[in-house]
Amino acid sequence: RKEVEQDPGPFNVPEGATVAFNCTYSNSASQSFFWYRQDCRKEPKLLMSVYSSGNEDGRFTAQLNRASQYISLLIRDSKLSDSATYLCVVNGWDTGRRALTFGSGTRLQVQP
Amino acid sequence: DAEITQSPRHKITETGRQVTLACHQTWNHNNMFWYRQDLGHGLRLIHYSYGVQDTNKGEVSDGYSVSRSNTEDLPLTLESAASSQTSVYFCASSEGVYYEQYFGPGTRLTVT
Repeated sequence: RKEVEQDPGPFNVPEGATVAFNCTYSNSASQSFFWYRQDCRKEPKLLMSVYSSGNEDGRFTAQLNRASQYISLLIRDSKLSDSATYLCVVNGWDTGRRALTFGSGTRLQVQP
Repeated sequence: DAEITQSPRHKITETGRQVTLACHQTWNHNNMFWYRQDLGHGLRLIHYSYGVQDTNKGEVSDGYSVSRSNTEDLPLTLESAASSQTSVYFCASSEGVYYEQYFGPGTRLTVT
């Protein structure tokens, strides 16, 4: 089982729609969770951290479910500029390696 | 403003040649990371460092080496470039092991 799993998409949604992505992780001891955004052929950029109580940043809401080991990202009122790949990121402890583990990403295409 | 830079941005080299990719950060972060990104694989960790003189292997370290002689730089060396190492390489840094990472713009390497 992969450490971090995401639905690759693509998710094709109209402008103004609400869209949600889920991500599951395998390491129950994980403590840090993030969502990154990556535009085509560019570097990943931090979108938001994910806190245990859930957190919101404008149109973006992140949730963490430790019992089921998944995190989610909700985007409300989608804009054309939200089109990108969204990476789920979890801190890992795999064979002694302490580092963040990145999911393969979920691609979002917002259409006019 | 603090930043993280990579050079060169594009590189074409021949099989068997030694290649070094530079990464320089002015965040004064102790932690630095190298990833490669290929279609269908997402970001894969090559090597990482938690401080000067510290280096660690990631999940795809074969054929790569790094050295950390100061806080700002973590060069990545391909000892004998292979076509399988054609990829986009990203460098990142973070303040703490499980903190968010900040990425450089990437180096697109082609091995012919």
